[in-house]
Amino acid sequence: EIVLTQSPATLSLSPGERATLSCRASQSVSSYLAWYQQKPGQAPRLLIYDASNRATGIPARFSGSGSGTDFTLTISSLEPEDFAVYYCQQRSNWPPGTFGPGTKVDIK
Amino acid sequence: QVQLQESGPGLVKPSQTLSLTCTVSGGSISSGDYYWSWIRQPPGKGLEWIGYIYYSGSTYYNPSLKSRVTISVDTSKNQFSLKLSSVTAADTAVYYCARELSDLGLDPWGQGTLVTVSS
Repeated sequence: EIVLTQSPATLSLSPGERATLSCRASQSVSSYLAWYQQKPGQAPRLLIYDASNRATGIPARFSGSGSGTDFTLTISSLEPEDFAVYYCQQRSNWPPGTFGPGTKVDIK
Repeated sequence: QVQLQESGPGLVKPSQTLSLTCTVSGGSISSGDYYWSWIRQPPGKGLEWIGYIYYSGSTYYNPSLKSRVTISVDTSKNQFSLKLSSVTAADTAVYYCARELSDLGLDPWGQGTLVTVSS
């Protein structure tokens, strides 16, 4: 089973700052990695697929990069609505699509 | 656009079977492009992928839950369902249904429904 780790667990930033979130896989997943955003009380929302492709309707301030075992989600300039929990999910060894434990981006 | 909505009891007794239904609107569940999945999230914790069904009826279950999970589809009602048997308090979670593309991910998701296992 492919295990995903995310760091940091919590990221405290101010609006307008740049957020850099990391996801590491226990073995190569090529580029088959997705990122989701979950706001309190809401369902997750697909942000990025295939490591670097934005899903429909996702603002350009969200970008994904990486391949193999190391991946990054970057939010170029945090908006108030971006404070949420972010999960990565590997799609390489699918099914099942295992998720990482999440990174919480909160307001500093 | 496609929307999904979960429904079912919010309280289930230990050892009983949890049953949920997901109703799909704005698109056909019989579209051959998609899988129809269940995911759960215990309160304050992360996401666990439960399994999927294809419109033809083929399924895949997470090995960690396989012995207790059944997912079925009713194409005439544009619905798919989840049954989880022999539940314990550890099965208390928000249960989500979602449409899934193998190479893209889960999109969209239903709003989720909280199921509590308690006597």
